[in-house]
Amino acid sequence: DQQVKQNSPSLSVQEGRISILNCDYTNSMFDYFLWYKKYPAEGPTFLISISSIKDKNEDGRFTVFLNKSAKHLSLHIVPSQPGDSAVYFCAASGWRSGGGADGLTFGKGTHLIIQP
Amino acid sequence: DAGVIQSPRHEVTEMGQEVTLRCKPISGHDYLFWYRQTMMRGLELLIYFNNNVPIDDSGMPEDRFSAKMPNASFSTLKIQPSEPRDSAVYFCASSFGGAGANVLTFGAGSRLTVL
Repeated sequence: DQQVKQNSPSLSVQEGRISILNCDYTNSMFDYFLWYKKYPAEGPTFLISISSIKDKNEDGRFTVFLNKSAKHLSLHIVPSQPGDSAVYFCAASGWRSGGGADGLTFGKGTHLIIQP
Repeated sequence: DAGVIQSPRHEVTEMGQEVTLRCKPISGHDYLFWYRQTMMRGLELLIYFNNNVPIDDSGMPEDRFSAKMPNASFSTLKIQPSEPRDSAVYFCASSFGGAGANVLTFGAGSRLTVL
């Protein structure tokens, strides 16, 4: 039972255009959402995050949008660059019922390919 | 800081053998996480520790898997006996203050192949 879903295994975008990666979640108790980027033979690295009390967070070329009513978030990259080619993971976290932070729940990832 | 260090980077073993994966978290981080990545299931959380104490091991697939954190600078994930379906990349990650608003820093992973 996937609580975080990335329905597009891959996405191809031309250099300079906008890349939009989508993510859906089912657990309404999630209160923090993150995007990680992964290159081959490396571990995932943090890219950008958003709290559930916000609907947008921007960091340079990267913007994350959150639609809580739809349980949907998206990552926009503009303009896309060749170095953005990587696997992007959507992740979510909440709090344990007994107190304390929960672990991150990840989607399966979307392989973004930026074409010259 | 050298980041999260995992060893070995690659391990090839035969079915039935014991496998031990190792992790050194970032100094000062109080949370440590073990994840497994497969094509079918993506990144799955196996277990995580807070101040060396296991908090949630509900993601551990079965009794063949065990994890320990004897001190703040070292953790192991052991599979005994190993099976071909355990073939995956295993990641260790650490953070200060757990997940949520706090960022997890991942190691480079240990790629396990069980023949």
